[in-house]
Amino acid sequence: SAVISQKPSRDICQRGTSLTIQCQVDSQVTMMFWYRQQPGQSLTLIATANQGSEATYESGFVIDKFPISRPNLTFSTLTVSNMSPEDSSIYLCSVVGGRDPFPGETQYFGPGTRLLVL
Amino acid sequence: KQEVTQIPAALSVPEGENLVLNCSFTDSAIYNLQWFRQDPGKGLTSLLLIQSSQREQTSGRLNASLDKSSGRSTLYIAASQPGDSATYLCAVADSWGKLQFGAGTQVVVTP
Repeated sequence: SAVISQKPSRDICQRGTSLTIQCQVDSQVTMMFWYRQQPGQSLTLIATANQGSEATYESGFVIDKFPISRPNLTFSTLTVSNMSPEDSSIYLCSVVGGRDPFPGETQYFGPGTRLLVL
Repeated sequence: KQEVTQIPAALSVPEGENLVLNCSFTDSAIYNLQWFRQDPGKGLTSLLLIQSSQREQTSGRLNASLDKSSGRSTLYIAASQPGDSATYLCAVADSWGKLQFGAGTQVVVTP
């Protein structure tokens, strides 16, 4: 298993500003993902952040809006840039297995970051 | 494009009854299927993972079945308890580990 922490746990931000969310894992993992959960909705994948390669973004998400860093096997950040009220969501990071996972392993989620944009 | 549907959207049962939650998906080319639990204000907790080659997985009072050819999975929770009240999400994984989630079933178990 993996224990994941996220910072901040919640924040209230002004329109036009940016927020960087941190994700820390207690073990080295290769596969890491960032998801968004808009109010009343289910989770949607934003991007895959595997160490050693550029993040790959899903349709509808772009690097300029959601830049991601993955400097090592235990840490990643997601920045929500130039925020608008539509960005108000819960942002979650997740990891698969350990350092040499295969996609069939259980995916573990962080507690999420609750963002409200005014 | 994969679409995941969960029925019902909400469910309320008295304590002790069995729960049956349904999940369907449109593309049978999945790597695995996971059931998660989400409590208000908290992240997701993995309940069960079923590999695409498996038909069933059990953990305690939980049992999940998978019929990949028909694109369906069912989560059974036996002898429900008030502590089982939560939103239950199913998600299918592709070969890259990416998860496609259903909208969830909100469960309330009344004492």
